[in-house]
Amino acid sequence: NAGVTQTPKFRILKIGQSMTLQCAQDMNHNYMYWYRQDPGMGLKLIYYSVGAGITDKGEVPNGYNVSRSTTEDFPLRLELAAPSQTSVYFCATRRAGDSNEQFFGPGTRLTVL
Amino acid sequence: GEDVEQSLFLSVREGDSSVINCTYTDSSSTYLYWYKQEPGAGLQLLTYIFSNMDMKQDQRLTVLLNKKDKHLSLRIADTQTGDSAIYFCAETAGFQKLVFGTGTRLLVSP
Repeated sequence: NAGVTQTPKFRILKIGQSMTLQCAQDMNHNYMYWYRQDPGMGLKLIYYSVGAGITDKGEVPNGYNVSRSTTEDFPLRLELAAPSQTSVYFCATRRAGDSNEQFFGPGTRLTVL
Repeated sequence: GEDVEQSLFLSVREGDSSVINCTYTDSSSTYLYWYKQEPGAGLQLLTYIFSNMDMKQDQRLTVLLNKKDKHLSLRIADTQTGDSAIYFCAETAGFQKLVFGTGTRLLVSP
């Protein structure tokens, strides 16, 4: 099993460009999350999904969009990239149950110049 | 709202014990977690404690929970250079979400 995979690993964007960060999982987990991690900071929740077709905003959703058409995939879309979106983006999943343990992908490092 | 605080940095010598501290605000958190992040990698769950427990031991790791003071600590016995990483505590925020602290960077010197 690959677990949680993210592509690309690195990307440099110009201001105003758009891109989609991909996240895929093969663990059949219902819950999926997108976080951003700024230098020296903890993780901030951008969006999350409790199952296919259902998404909800986290703490810092502005400038991002998500969709969840399948259990496996949870792409994060940046429409008009801004320097403030320079960060490392992590996707995570969670199976249903009590412990709330989340499984993280390796991250995508995005720089907006 | 939820807020999780940690000290930013801890330096120890190999073989010593490390204690990483965390304070949280949501007294209704069901579980509290410790995650480890190695350079260039995502977070990995180290251990967690259920809110009705005071202590949990898992090999070299000991988690202490003081619910009255909303204080969580992680003790690593016999710290090794491979333990150098950033350690995040996290609390549950409602049913689906976690709130993470800012992380404590542990540096272990030989």
